[in-house]
Amino acid sequence: AQKVTQAQTEISVVEKEDVTLDCVYETRDTTYYLFWYKQPPSGELVFLIRRNSFDEQNEISGRYSWNFQKSTSSFNFTITASQVVDSAVYFCALSERSFGNEKLTFGTGTRLTIIP
Amino acid sequence: DTAVSQTPKYLVTQMGNDKSIKCEQNLGHDTMYWYKQDSKKFLKIMFSYNNKELIINETVPNRFSPKSPDKAHLNLHINSLELGDSAVYFCASSQVGQSYYGYTFGSGTRLTVV
Repeated sequence: AQKVTQAQTEISVVEKEDVTLDCVYETRDTTYYLFWYKQPPSGELVFLIRRNSFDEQNEISGRYSWNFQKSTSSFNFTITASQVVDSAVYFCALSERSFGNEKLTFGTGTRLTIIP
Repeated sequence: DTAVSQTPKYLVTQMGNDKSIKCEQNLGHDTMYWYKQDSKKFLKIMFSYNNKELIINETVPNRFSPKSPDKAHLNLHINSLELGDSAVYFCASSQVGQSYYGYTFGSGTRLTVV
C-alpha cells in the first residue's frame, strides 16, 4: 500500500528565511507520480508540482524548488526567501499507476507560518 | 469557466438530516473522486468513479452514497447526518491512465452538522 509521511506538523520561520518541507513516501510500484499541493487559509487546494518516478531532475520555479531522491524515497520542497503569502498548509501526495484504480494518497500536511 | 465546480460551498444542517453535494467537471475527464478533509486537515479518498462506474470505495459508511449520472457529474448524498460527518468535502477529476497530468480539485464544500 502506498503511504506518504510528512513528519513536520508545523513550521514557523521569519520572513525571508529559507524553509524546507520534508516528504517521504512508500510504494511498491516502479511507476508513480508525486505531487505537492498548497492549501491557503481560504481552503482551496492549489497544485504546485508533479513529478514522475523516472524523472529525478530537481526543479526550480521562482522561489520554489523540489528535490526528488528515489534512493531515499523523498520529495522535499524548499521555499527560498519566504514571504507571508507562503503561509499555508502544504501537502505532499503520491499516485500510483494502477490503471483504473488510481487515487491520490496525501500526507498529513505541514502547516507553514511565515512571521513578518 | 470553472473546471471542477461543487455546490454548495457551505452547508450547515442538523443531525439526522439528509443532504447532497453536487460536483461537475468540464474537463472531459473520465474519472471523478470524492475526498474528505477532517478537522485535522487530513485528506482521504472516499470514492472514485470511472465512466459512471464505482471503482474505489474506501470503507465509507453506507450512509454515504455517491451517484454519477454521467462522467461529468459525481454527486454525494449523505443520509442521517452525524456530528462526525462535519468536514470539508472535495471533488476531483482526472483522466485514467494519465495520472501524470494530475488531478483537478473543486474548491470544497464545508459541511457542518449541528
